[in-house]
Amino acid sequence: SQELEQSPQSLIVQEGKNLTINCTSSKTLYGLYWYKQKYGEGLIFLMMLQKGGEEKSHEKITAKLDEKKQQSSLHITASQPSHAGIYLCGATYSGGGADGLTFGKGTHLIIQP
Amino acid sequence: NAGVTQTPKFRVLKTGQSMTLLCAQDMNHEYMYWYRQDPGMGLRLIHYSVGEGTTAKGEVPDGYNVSRLKKQNFLLGLESAAPSQTSVYFCASSAVGLNTEAFFGQGTRLTVV
Repeated sequence: SQELEQSPQSLIVQEGKNLTINCTSSKTLYGLYWYKQKYGEGLIFLMMLQKGGEEKSHEKITAKLDEKKQQSSLHITASQPSHAGIYLCGATYSGGGADGLTFGKGTHLIIQP
Repeated sequence: NAGVTQTPKFRVLKTGQSMTLLCAQDMNHEYMYWYRQDPGMGLRLIHYSVGEGTTAKGEVPDGYNVSRLKKQNFLLGLESAAPSQTSVYFCASSAVGLNTEAFFGQGTRLTVV
C-alpha cells in the first residue's frame, strides 16, 4: 500500500482561481516536503514542514502540516500559468532523512487561461 | 552555480547492454541519492549514499549497482539493461542535518529497447 497518498491526481483550474492539493500519510510524518516539477525537468524545492500545525508561505503558495502530522495541504491563491506542473509531496519518517524521501505519486496541475 | 549535474540527459540502450549514469554535485553534500520516476508510480529510491565509500539499497535496487568513490560523484550502473528499466532517473544530494533540503538534477531519460 502507498505510504503517501496525494489528491487529486490531476487538477484543471481556471487562471485566477484558488486550489488545494492534499498529501496524506499512513503514519506519523517526521518531515514533509513539497516539490514542483515542470514537465521534462527536475524537481524544484518549495518548502518543508516539520512541526505539527506549522504553516509556511512563499509568494502565492501556502503549505500546512496538520497537528497530528499525518496530512499536509498545499494551497495556491489566484493561480497563474506559471503554477502549472506536477506537485510532489515527499516525506521522512525518522530524524535526519539520510535514507531518502518517500514520495507521493504527484498531482498534475493545469491552468486554463 | 551548477548544483547537481547528471550525465547523460538522454540515452537509448539495447536489451542486455550496460551503461553508467554519472551524478556530480558541487555543494559538498554528504548524502546522495538515485531515484527513478515512472508514470503513475511517482519517484522511487534506488540506492543512496551517506558518505564517500558508503552505499545502501533503497526501495527498488534490483538490476542496479552504485559507487561513491569521491564525495562529489555518485555513479549508477546498469550491468544488463532490461526494458523494465526504461525510466527517468534523478539524482539528488543533501547536506547532513535534520530534514535538510534535497537538491535534484535535471534527470536522465533512459529507454531500453
